[in-house]
Formats: sequence, C-alpha cells, structure tokens
Amino acid sequence: ILNVEQSPQSLHVQEGDSTNFTCSFPSSNFYALHWYRWETAKSPEALFVMTLNGDEKKKGRISATLNTKEGYSYLYIKGSQPEDSATYLCAFMSNTGKLIFGQGTTLQVKP
Amino acid sequence: DTAVSQTPKYLVTQMGNDKSIKCEQNLGHDTMYWYKQDSKKFLKIMFSYNNKELIINETVPNRFSPKSPDKAHLNLHINSLELGDSAVYFCASSLQGNEAFFGQGTRLTVV
Repeated sequence: ILNVEQSPQSLHVQEGDSTNFTCSFPSSNFYALHWYRWETAKSPEALFVMTLNGDEKKKGRISATLNTKEGYSYLYIKGSQPEDSATYLCAFMSNTGKLIFGQGTTLQVKP
Repeated sequence: DTAVSQTPKYLVTQMGNDKSIKCEQNLGHDTMYWYKQDSKKFLKIMFSYNNKELIINETVPNRFSPKSPDKAHLNLHINSLELGDSAVYFCASSLQGNEAFFGQGTRLTVV
C-alpha cells in the first residue's frame, strides 16, 4: 500500500511569516514527487515536479526540496501573503505510473 | 481552450440509476486519471489509463468502470448509484510522469 503523509494538516500564520510543510512518501518504486496548490472552488495546479535526490526547485517565494533516500520533501513559503492561502498537496508518482496524493496541508495567512 | 474538461459539472440523480461523467484532454498526454474527493478533501485515486491500457485499478466497487474510446478521453461509468457515491470526481492527465492537469471536477449528488 502506497502511503503519502503530509504535516501539518492545517496551519494559520500571519502575513510576512515564513512557513514550511512536510511530505513523506515511500522510498521504493520512486519516479517523481509533485507539489500542487489547490485553491477553494478551483482545481489543483502543479507547483513543482522533482525527480532526483537532492533536487531543489524555486518559484518566487515558494521552494521545495527532495530527499528520495529517506522519503521526504519540504515545501517552503517565504514571507507568506494572504493570497498564499490554499491547500498544498504533495503527490508520489511510482515507477508503475501511480500518482498518489497526500491529504494536504491547508494554509491560512492572516493579513 | 480548456486543457482538461469534464462534463457535466453538476449531476444530481436518484439511487439505482446509471450515469456517466466524460473527460477529455487536448494536451496530447499519455496518461489519464480519475480521482474521488472525499469529505476531507482527500483525492483518492480510482483509475489511471496509459495509452488506452488500464495500468492500475484501485479497490473501487465494480459498479465503477472507466472507458477510454481514444487517448484523449477517459469516461467514468457508474452503475446502480448509491448514496455513498456522492462526491466530487476529478479527471486529470499527465505526460510521462510530469505534472498532472486537472479538470474542474464533477459534483455528483445521489438522492
């Protein structure tokens, strides 16, 4: 059974705070690790796709790291803004083509 | 142009009915997925199709069946609908393990 765990489940921060979330996934049968941003009443949209151990990706104030040997990834948001409020999903893609999502971390940024 | 489109967006039907949800992607992707969003917003994978072959079939009731007339379409058929089938269903597609693109979701309500 492929299990993808995210923590924390929810997070409330003040505008300007920096924050990070964790995703843990199986270290076997790994092909890629995805991060998605999911706003209310919309569909999930991809932030990053990482494939190699040690990968680091950055998009504006958001960045992510990947450790495939120990099976975890971190997503960082620097200087959170109210528009960053959303649910952040990580997804494990196995080498058999399964794309398994974690339960998400819901971020609320207060002005 | 919508990359991944699902129809209908809303579907209200009675218990025992048979219904279909259509999904089409115009991205030239080779893999399509169906997910069921549970009450906690968790995306649970139901099916995925790669180049018209079912590569995974999760433990969903056999009342649910995916049908792919061609590489750009993956429709979801549901027989003998039950109250517990009420949920939002998302279709998605990807190319060779890269980011998945999602449809807007179909909210199914069984009464």
